[in-house]
Amino acid sequence: AQKVTQAQTEISVVEKEDVTLDCVYETRDTTYYLFWYKQPPSGELVFLIRRNSFDEQNEISGRYSWNFQKSTSSFNFTITASQVVDSAVYFCALSEVNQGAQKLVFGQGTRLTINP
Amino acid sequence: DAMVIQNPRYQVTQFGKPVTLSCSQTLNHNVMYWYQQKSSQAPKLLFHYYDKDFNNEADTPDNFQSRRPNTSFCFLDIRSPGLGDAAMYLCATSRDQQGTQYFGPGTRLTVL
Repeated sequence: AQKVTQAQTEISVVEKEDVTLDCVYETRDTTYYLFWYKQPPSGELVFLIRRNSFDEQNEISGRYSWNFQKSTSSFNFTITASQVVDSAVYFCALSEVNQGAQKLVFGQGTRLTINP
Repeated sequence: DAMVIQNPRYQVTQFGKPVTLSCSQTLNHNVMYWYQQKSSQAPKLLFHYYDKDFNNEADTPDNFQSRRPNTSFCFLDIRSPGLGDAAMYLCATSRDQQGTQYFGPGTRLTVL
């Protein structure tokens, strides 16, 4: 069965610090997708990134960067120079295709608090 | 412009009183999903529609039903809400089975 583990339940840092959110996954599929979503207090899940299993290149988008390593089944997310607006719950997710649609398996989420 | 819209954002209902939550999308996506998210938990998939084909998750209670009258709209019906059904309900869409899921703002349901 597929599984996503986000070992860090809560992280609290001071603004401008760098912070890394860990994500470890388990799957027997050779083709899969990994995602990160952000959930601010308003409740909406905001899509951040999707990565397919054949693309291990790291990605950078502004202050956000992602490190995908198949050898350790990890897909970690780093925020550089954190800001108060980054405060949210972040979910890592793994997808499987089932019955014609993509089923997301979510980790339990990491609550990130950026203090001024 | 909002692409996945959920109404209402907040819904209060009484124990046992049927309630319907609404989701609409302007993306013309083929797949629509309903998730339940309880406090401090990850979203849990209830069911999804691939075009008109309905797919229920094995552990979704019979109390939860869904309708998709056209491509743009999908409804979640809770026939007899219990206190345990209080949660955030999230709608998502994807272009096809390989596509990224985009979520709406959610409807927070309170059961009194």
